[in-house]
Formats: sequence, structure tokens, C-alpha cells
Amino acid sequence: DQQVKQNSPSLSVQEGRISILNCDYTNSMFDYFLWYKKYPAEGPTFLISISSIKDKNEDGRFTVFLNKSAKHLSLHIVPSQPGDSAVYFCAASGVIHSDSGGGADGLTFGKGTHLIIQP
Amino acid sequence: ETGVTQTPRHLVMGMTNKKSLKCEQHLGHNAMYWYKQSAKKPLELMFVYSLEERVENNSVPSRFSPECPNSSHLFLHLHTLQPEDSALYLCASSQEASGGLATNEKLFFGSGTQLSVL
Repeated sequence: DQQVKQNSPSLSVQEGRISILNCDYTNSMFDYFLWYKKYPAEGPTFLISISSIKDKNEDGRFTVFLNKSAKHLSLHIVPSQPGDSAVYFCAASGVIHSDSGGGADGLTFGKGTHLIIQP
Repeated sequence: ETGVTQTPRHLVMGMTNKKSLKCEQHLGHNAMYWYKQSAKKPLELMFVYSLEERVENNSVPSRFSPECPNSSHLFLHLHTLQPEDSALYLCASSQEASGGLATNEKLFFGSGTQLSVL
């Protein structure tokens, strides 16, 4: 049972236009959401995040929107550039507690969306 | 360069072999993770070490055995694997606060080990 869903395996967008990547989640206990970007033969790298107390976070060309009531978030990239072609993973944060009271963040990831920017 | 180094980058092993994956982080973080990425599946969390203490993950078969000798190093020992274990294994680290409340939830990933089990 997937708690974080990215229903579009791939998305093709023309250079200069807006790219919109979508993500849905089912666990209402998630309170922090992140987007990671992955190039072939590399590990995922952090892109942008949003706390559940906000509905929007912007960083340059990247904006993440969160709709808590719909359990939906989206990543907007504008304008899209060829270097944006990559796989984008949506992730949600849930803290895992150890017996000693410490915690660590085990993120729950979606399957990813392969974004292709066409010249 | 993310500050998290994984070796080897590629590994081919038979089902009867024993091998180990290594991860080293140079970021001063106190939590380390193993994730598995199979084709057409989400990244799956396998193991978490926080402050060098392992947080149990019961869904991982015992043929995978993690080891965290210190806060900078993490190993994944493999034995008698199955072909379906072929996947990309990713190590990550983060800086976590004690008391169960994470203050920095960004993970820094290594480039991964592409494992093929024949």
C-alpha cells in the first residue's frame, strides 16, 4: 500500500514552458514534504521542501504547493530548462523513534516522475 | 559531490557469495540509512542508524545485515541473495536531533551500488 503516489511515470515539456509534477499522499501524519531530483548513475539530490504549516514555498524557478485537505502537493518549474530533465521523487517525512528516545527521519518516497524537457 | 561515498559502484554476485557494500559520509551527520531502489518501485527504506543505534526494520530479510561501526561508516553485508534482490542500493545520511524531533529532514545520498545477483 503506497503512502506516497506519483501517478505520472513520465512527463514531456517544451523548453521555456512550465513543468508541473504531482504527488498525492495518504498518511495524514506526514508533516514535511520534499522533492528530490535524480540524474542517471547518481543518487537523488534534495531540491525543495515544504512544511505542513505552509501552502507554498518558492526557490528560484522551483515552487512547491501543498494542499493538505486534498493530501496533494505539486512541484512547478518555470521556465523549464534542458538541465531539468531528470527523475523527480516526491517524499514525505515520518520520524522513526528508537528505544533511547532518539529519532531519525525515514522518508517515504513515491515511484518518481521522469521529466523530459524538449528543445 | 554530496559528501556521501559508496563503494563499489557496481557489483555482480552469485547467490552463494558473501559481499559487503560500504558507505562513508564526510558531513558530520549522526544518522545513516540504507535504501533500495528496484525497477518501477519507490525507494524503500531498509535500515536506519541514529546516533549509531539501529532502528529496527522488520520487513527486511535476514540475508541483509547492516553494520554501523561509527557515525561516519555504514556497511550492508550480503549473503545468499536472490535474483530479485538485484537493485540499486543507496546510502544516505542526515543530521537529526535527539528526542525524536528531526530538525533537518534533508537526506544526502550517495551515488549508489548497482547490484546484480545471478
